[in-house]
Order: sequence, then structure tokens, then C-alpha cells
Amino acid sequence: EVQLVESGGGLVQPGGSLRLSCAASGFTFSSYWMHWVRQASGKGLVWVSRINSDGSDTSYADSVKGRFTISRDNAKNTLYLQMNSLRAEDTAVYYCARGGVAGRNDYWGQGTLVTVSA
Amino acid sequence: DIQMTQSPSSLSASVGDRVTITCRASQSISSYLHWYQQKPGKAPKLLIYAASSLQSGVPSRFSGSGSGTDFTLTINSLQPEDFATYYCQQSYSTLGTFGQGTKVEIK
Repeated sequence: EVQLVESGGGLVQPGGSLRLSCAASGFTFSSYWMHWVRQASGKGLVWVSRINSDGSDTSYADSVKGRFTISRDNAKNTLYLQMNSLRAEDTAVYYCARGGVAGRNDYWGQGTLVTVSA
Repeated sequence: DIQMTQSPSSLSASVGDRVTITCRASQSISSYLHWYQQKPGKAPKLLIYAASSLQSGVPSRFSGSGSGTDFTLTINSLQPEDFATYYCQQSYSTLGTFGQGTKVEIK
């Protein structure tokens, strides 16, 4: 059974940093692209970042470029999102998702809440 | 960047109704269009991928169509468990933008 479990969320002050993790199981993690998607309370889904299967290629939404870094450890079956210079508008539930055929996100984690507030 | 526009933003329907949601891309995205269902407090669930392919385990009352810039999600015979918010997403470009969502409510 495919499982994605996010962790690392919490309360952080503006300008602070946080690292999210997504532990994957039930599939060959090193064969799949992975994504981060976020959702502010009561708002829609926003794509944040993605990484290819070996970690050599990454992309970011303009709103996080230069502040967030996506990475992965295929030996540990874990995806990461390093978030620096956090702003109030980064407050959201962050989901990791597996990138399947044709770019679909076929499995999602349960999400981890990040709150940026003084 | 490719913009995705869904309509309507919300709709009210009754159990048994046929519901149609549309998604328009700001440029051609071929068939790189996917539909998700999200219920409150839950992660999104993939329903349709590549515009018209039904994800495994998803009931056949859900269907998708379209290519290029205009796409449609249809729910035939709406069931109580289908009241949720639906999102389209394009994967044609690296930045996998979502539509703003369509909330399907009980009439």
C-alpha cells in the first residue's frame, strides 16, 4: 500500500525556517517524481515545487523561488522541503504527492500544517 | 505561466443530478489535465487523469473529456458522498497549476 506521511510542520516566526519531511513507503520511491502542494485555510490548492526521480532537476512556484528548496534522499525514501525566510502568506497545510504517469498526482499524504506568525 | 480557470466556482445540486464542471487553460495543454476531489479536512483524491482516464477505484459515474484548452468533468447521478470540492490541474508545464476549485453543495 502506498503511503506518504508528512512531518515537520509547526509554528514559526516570520523570517524563520522550517524543514518538512515526507516519508514514503509501499512503492519504489526512487522511480517517481515528487511534489509539494499547499493549501491555506479555506483556500484552493497551490502547487509549490517538484523534484525528479534522482533529485537532479527541481522546479518552484514563483512565490517560493529562492526561499524554498526541495530535495530527496532515495536511500531513506524521504522527500524534504526546506523553507527559509518564511512569511505569513506561507501559512498553509503542506501536502506531498507522488508524480505519476502524465504528471498526475496519484497519491497524497495527509498534510502537515505550517503556521507563520509572531 | 499557464492559468487554469474553473466554472462555476460553486453549484447546488440534488442527489441523482448530472453535474458538469468546466476547466479552461490559458493555452493549449494537450491532454495534460487531471481532476481531483477534496473533502473537508482531507487530502485531495485523484479522479481523472490525462483528461479522460478514470483512476483505479473511482466510480464510473465520474468522467472527463476535452483536449487543448477546454475540459469537462461530469458526474452522472450525483451521490451523497460526491458533495465536495473539485479541482483541475495541468501538468503540461513544469509548474503544475490548479484551478480555483468548484464546490458542489447539496440543494
